[in-house]
Amino acid sequence: AQSVAQPEDQVNVAEGNPLTVKCTYSVSGNPYLFWYVQYPNRGLQFLLKYITGDNLVKGSYGFEAEFNKSQTSFHLKKPSALVSDSALYFCAVRDVLGTSGTYKYIFGTGTRLKVLA
Amino acid sequence: EAQVTQNPRYLITVTGKKLTVTCSQNMNHEYMSWYRQDPGLGLRQIYYSMNVEVTDKGDVPEGYKVSRKEKRNFPLILESPSPNQTSLYFCASSSKQGPGNTIYFGEGSWLTVV
Repeated sequence: AQSVAQPEDQVNVAEGNPLTVKCTYSVSGNPYLFWYVQYPNRGLQFLLKYITGDNLVKGSYGFEAEFNKSQTSFHLKKPSALVSDSALYFCAVRDVLGTSGTYKYIFGTGTRLKVLA
Repeated sequence: EAQVTQNPRYLITVTGKKLTVTCSQNMNHEYMSWYRQDPGLGLRQIYYSMNVEVTDKGDVPEGYKVSRKEKRNFPLILESPSPNQTSLYFCASSSKQGPGNTIYFGEGSWLTVV
């Protein structure tokens, strides 16, 4: 079965500094990886995804993620953090079940990002 | 506007009193699912549906039922709620076409069972 792990419950970073939120995955076959963000009292919003191609994926709000096959990682990054980036971030992988075309999404436990002014 | 709408957003109920959380999407998506979010556990899938009349259990289906009679609707039913079902619930949908389609989430439903 496929899985994702977010090793950090919380990441603190000063405003203006670069940020990294870590995600590692375990899959059989080609991974379809996603990052979502959740602001307080809101649903999850899509940030970016990796399907194939360029290992550096650019997404919404200036975020990007680097797919590293050898390290089985998909870390979320931003060159300069903003206080408004403070939120809960989830990494996810799409798990294909058998050969019927059925699939499900598996989410990590989430990492709370705090950007300090 | 693309939307997943779930109701109610907030509900306090008593143990054993049946309740239904509705979910509707306006994007003609085949795939719909329900998740619960608990501190330290992230999002866990309850049930999912690949299309009308096709549903399957996720990771934590006990105590829940779903139905998919129409493509746009995917209600979550708690026949006899218990306090351990107090949680934040999310409905989500996506298109089946292509390998990496974006999941759209509802705003969440806070459920408290006393």
